[in-house]
Amino acid sequence: DTAVSQTPKYLVTQMGNDKSIKCEQNLGHDTMYWYKQDSKKFLKIMFSYNNKELIINETVPNRFSPKSPDKAHLNLHINSLELGDSAVYFCASTPTGGSGTEAFFGQGTRLTVV
Amino acid sequence: DAKTTQPTSMDCAEGRAANLPCNHSTISGNEYVYWYRQIHSQGPQYIIHGLKNNETNEMASLIITEDRKSSTLILPHATLRDTAVYYCIVRVRTGGFKTIFGAGTRLFVKA
Repeated sequence: DTAVSQTPKYLVTQMGNDKSIKCEQNLGHDTMYWYKQDSKKFLKIMFSYNNKELIINETVPNRFSPKSPDKAHLNLHINSLELGDSAVYFCASTPTGGSGTEAFFGQGTRLTVV
Repeated sequence: DAKTTQPTSMDCAEGRAANLPCNHSTISGNEYVYWYRQIHSQGPQYIIHGLKNNETNEMASLIITEDRKSSTLILPHATLRDTAVYYCIVRVRTGGFKTIFGAGTRLFVKA
């Protein structure tokens, strides 16, 4: 069983389109995250949700809107995609909200905007 | 979270120990040292963490200096599958996993 799973794994789309990336974790964790890894390979946090509540929003354009229907899912919707949005997006989860130990990451979604 | 400094890349022969250093001279008393790795095209994978004492698990050992300003991750018998980017992170254990990963060390394990 995959602990943190993301779909799709690859996404190629045109500028201006709207797309969503889905993430699910079966670990029973309370907190989930979205990270972006750019072309320079730096991993930067974008959002964090704890029990469906947004707790971290790291200066991300409002074209990015996370949605957490329940604590096992955290989806990322992106409006009006731009070339600079091309990156690998990773979902992650940690065991308890706030008292983070190790984070478990998904396999990533490689987004290419053309 | 405190800043860390790691070498850009390292080589290691298969079967030998890989020792990956990390400097964290501004670490605070309540910050832990964490190590993660990212194998090509995969998500980061947790390896080990520690506060003051040396730690060992099935993957690696973590040696933290007495002043806690540096640490070393040891892979005792490196294999080709250990080729990856290794990230050293220092952070408190509370407040959510807000960590920004640095550039890390690219470890090449060679046959």
